Amino acid sequence: AQSVTQLGSHVSVSEGALVLLRCNYSSSVPPYLFWYVQYPNQGLQLLLKYTTGATLVKGINGFEAEFKKSETSFHLTKPSAHMSDAAEYFCAAETSSGNTPLVFGKGTRLSVIA
Amino acid sequence: DSGVTQTPKHLITATGQRVTLRCSPRSGDLSVYWYQQSLDQGLQFLIQYYNGEERAKGNILERFSAQQFPDLHSELNLSSLELGDSALYFCASSGWDSQETQYFGPGTRLLVL
Repeated sequence: AQSVTQLGSHVSVSEGALVLLRCNYSSSVPPYLFWYVQYPNQGLQLLLKYTTGATLVKGINGFEAEFKKSETSFHLTKPSAHMSDAAEYFCAAETSSGNTPLVFGKGTRLSVIA
Repeated sequence: DSGVTQTPKHLITATGQRVTLRCSPRSGDLSVYWYQQSLDQGLQFLIQYYNGEERAKGNILERFSAQQFPDLHSELNLSSLELGDSALYFCASSGWDSQETQYFGPGTRLLVL
């Protein structure tokens, strides 16, 4: 069965510093991969997704992620953290046939320190 | 705004009771998914419907059931509620294309006392 692992349940960075949130998947066939963000008391908002094609994916709010098949990873980065980035981030995978349920990682809470 | 609506936003009820959560997908989306988010289990898939038919089942308890109606809205029924059912329940919808994104509603927060 597919699984998603997010390393670090809590990451803390200074404002202006690099944000790196790690995600690894386990699947013999590369799945579709997603990053969602959840602000307090809100639903999940899509940041970016990888299905096929270019392995470096750009998303909203300056975030990007790179699909690395050899490392089974899909880490999320942002060059410079902003206070408004403080939220819970979820990595998710879907089988590459699409239209199937998402398997989520346990989430990483990002704190941004002024 | 994702275009997915869920009602009610909050629900407080007692153990043993039954509740119904409602979801309206984005216009034109045929797939509806239900997920449960709890502190101990994280985000877990419950059930998926596609154009009125059940398509996939996850870790959904027998006390829980769902359906999708001809107008494509969906309802999740939770019965014989237990304290451990307290959670945030999300609905998501997607289109027919295999690369379609799942868009999430704001969720229904259920508290069982």
